[in-house]
Amino acid sequence: DAGVIQSPRHEVTEMGQEVTLRCKPISGHNSLFWYRQTMMRGLELLIYFNNNVPIDDSGMPEDRFSAKMPNASFSTLKIQPSEPRDSAVYFCASSPPGQPYYGYTFGSGTRLTVV
Amino acid sequence: SQKIEQNSEALNIQEGKTATLTCNYTNYSPAYLQWYRQDPGRGPVFLLLIRENEKEKRKERLKVTFDTTLKQSLFHITASQPADSATYLCALPPWGNTGKLIFGQGTTLQVKP
Repeated sequence: DAGVIQSPRHEVTEMGQEVTLRCKPISGHNSLFWYRQTMMRGLELLIYFNNNVPIDDSGMPEDRFSAKMPNASFSTLKIQPSEPRDSAVYFCASSPPGQPYYGYTFGSGTRLTVV
Repeated sequence: SQKIEQNSEALNIQEGKTATLTCNYTNYSPAYLQWYRQDPGRGPVFLLLIRENEKEKRKERLKVTFDTTLKQSLFHITASQPADSATYLCALPPWGNTGKLIFGQGTTLQVKP
């Protein structure tokens, strides 16, 4: 299995531009999570989906952030417009039915820099 | 809200010694707690889960304890090796929700040869 696949690995964009991060979870996993990691705040949960349905988006910082999961094999996190304070590493993770006993599988992350 | 505290200072130990990392949490006691390892530039990797009714869990050179009275979990690596150098994060579900995890800031372990 290729694991959780995220793209791009690095993204540098100018303030005000739209940014779209992509994630392909592990086949058979029914939960998908988007986290953001910074030195100051650590890993923060932004939103999670169960069976493609958004369950909890209370961690989404503001309306500039949106996430979708149109099918079981793909999810996007969009920031529009982007701001310098959005600079962070964004991780996608997935987990199988029967979680939490199997833990999360994380992707390698997307390092976003907004200048 | 639930808070997780891990030692922010790096832990430096000599190869072959036992490393002990601490995870303290406040408020309610969770049904389970997980430990992850994170290497630079990579996502966290799941290591172990321990449930509230388990006092101790082992996996190869790893041992995790869970003390619901002290609201604390200890993570031990015995016979540590330089390859064990990484950041270790504990994670647990917030109150009333076992579907998601909140993570501590992590403790960085450096094992010197």
